[in-house]
Amino acid sequence: TQLLEQSPQFLSIQEGENLTVYCNSSSVFSSLQWYRQEPGEGPVLLVTVVTGGEVKKLKRLTFQFGDARKDSSLHITAAQTGDTGLYLCAGYYTGGSNYKLTFGKGTLLTVNP
Amino acid sequence: AAGVIQSPRHLIKEKRETATLKCYPIPRHDTVYWYQQGPGQDPQFLISFYEKMQSDKGSIPDRFSAQQFSDYHSELNMSSLELGDSALYFCASSQQGRVTEAFFGQGTRLTVV
Repeated sequence: TQLLEQSPQFLSIQEGENLTVYCNSSSVFSSLQWYRQEPGEGPVLLVTVVTGGEVKKLKRLTFQFGDARKDSSLHITAAQTGDTGLYLCAGYYTGGSNYKLTFGKGTLLTVNP
Repeated sequence: AAGVIQSPRHLIKEKRETATLKCYPIPRHDTVYWYQQGPGQDPQFLISFYEKMQSDKGSIPDRFSAQQFSDYHSELNMSSLELGDSALYFCASSQQGRVTEAFFGQGTRLTVV
């Protein structure tokens, strides 16, 4: 059973467009992290959200943690070709192990010039 | 800033051989995680260590073993390699606390021929 569901699985857009990807779960998470991964490289941590309702901004990226800490979204404004990559959400769920980071399956984003 | 260091970056082994992957965590990080990522897959949790003790275990085959040493580096030992073991292997490290953020290394690409 996948604890974290990400959608969409694939997304192909034109440069300059906006997009939102989602990470949903039926479980409550104590913290949730978003990573970006390029082929053959390790996931790079973008942001960590901890508080329900929290919104964090990282330049053109806006991350939101749901009030109930069960879901999160990543919004990219004016996408650039350099944003292309696999976006993974991952978290430590409340009541679970603090020593196991659970991943979603990821959203593969392609930004076309 | 120092990151997680993995070695080697690439490794080619024959079936039934043995491989050892090494991971050097970020200084002062007390937890190490190992993940396996097949092509087009999300990272699958193998095992983690906290303060040199195994803290959680995932889908790690019995042919694999791992440990964390006194200097906090970790090694993943893989024996009787199979073609299906070909994958990217990532190590991540974190510091346990109210907010635990895991940082990943660049990975080791293991190819079994």
